Amino acid sequence: NAGVTQTPKFQVLKTGQSMTLQCAQDMNHEYMSWYRQDPGMGLRLIHYSVGAGITDQGEVPNGYNVSRSTTEDFPLRLLSAAPSQTSVYFCASSEPLRRSRHTEAFFGQGTRLTVV
Amino acid sequence: AQSVAQPEDQVNVAEGNPLTVKCTYSVSGNPYLFWYVQYPNRGLQFLLKYITGDNLVKGSYGFEAEFNKSQTSFHLKKPSALVSDSALYFCAVRANQAGTALIFGKGTTLSVSS
Repeated sequence: NAGVTQTPKFQVLKTGQSMTLQCAQDMNHEYMSWYRQDPGMGLRLIHYSVGAGITDQGEVPNGYNVSRSTTEDFPLRLLSAAPSQTSVYFCASSEPLRRSRHTEAFFGQGTRLTVV
Repeated sequence: AQSVAQPEDQVNVAEGNPLTVKCTYSVSGNPYLFWYVQYPNRGLQFLLKYITGDNLVKGSYGFEAEFNKSQTSFHLKKPSALVSDSALYFCAVRANQAGTALIFGKGTTLSVSS
């Protein structure tokens, strides 16, 4: 099972450039979310989705866009990269509490982004 | 608002000794609590969860966690630490009653010396 797949694993951007981080899951999970991990700050929620066509903001949404056109894919777009967006980004998927006893989230391996 | 606190940035233990990594939480409604582990340059791996039922939850790799409602705590424990347990540990809680995402603590680095 592939689980949650993120691409690319590493990326270097120049300030002002845009890019899309890809996330795909093959578990037919309704919920997907994006987090950023910074030293000493844990993981912070950027955006999340409860199903195809439905997204919402998390704790730190500024500078990021998302869309969810299919159940499988949840790309994260950086509109105009800034050095403050240098971080490790994780995508996760999970099932709704009402549907499954398997309530834990499954994480991708992460994308390490550096903005210079 | 839901929140999670991990009061220790780092925990140091000797191999073979018991370990505890602390976590306290603040939630409205029933808490759904999780522990994840992260090894260097890797993603997060699920260890265990508390949803309901017994206050002592057993998980992967010999870890367990004790849910204490009165103290709003969910401490991670292991009776005998291994050097290979050295990693970054995160406590997390479901972000809302719908469970759409997670709120994480800041993480605790566990260092087990031989």
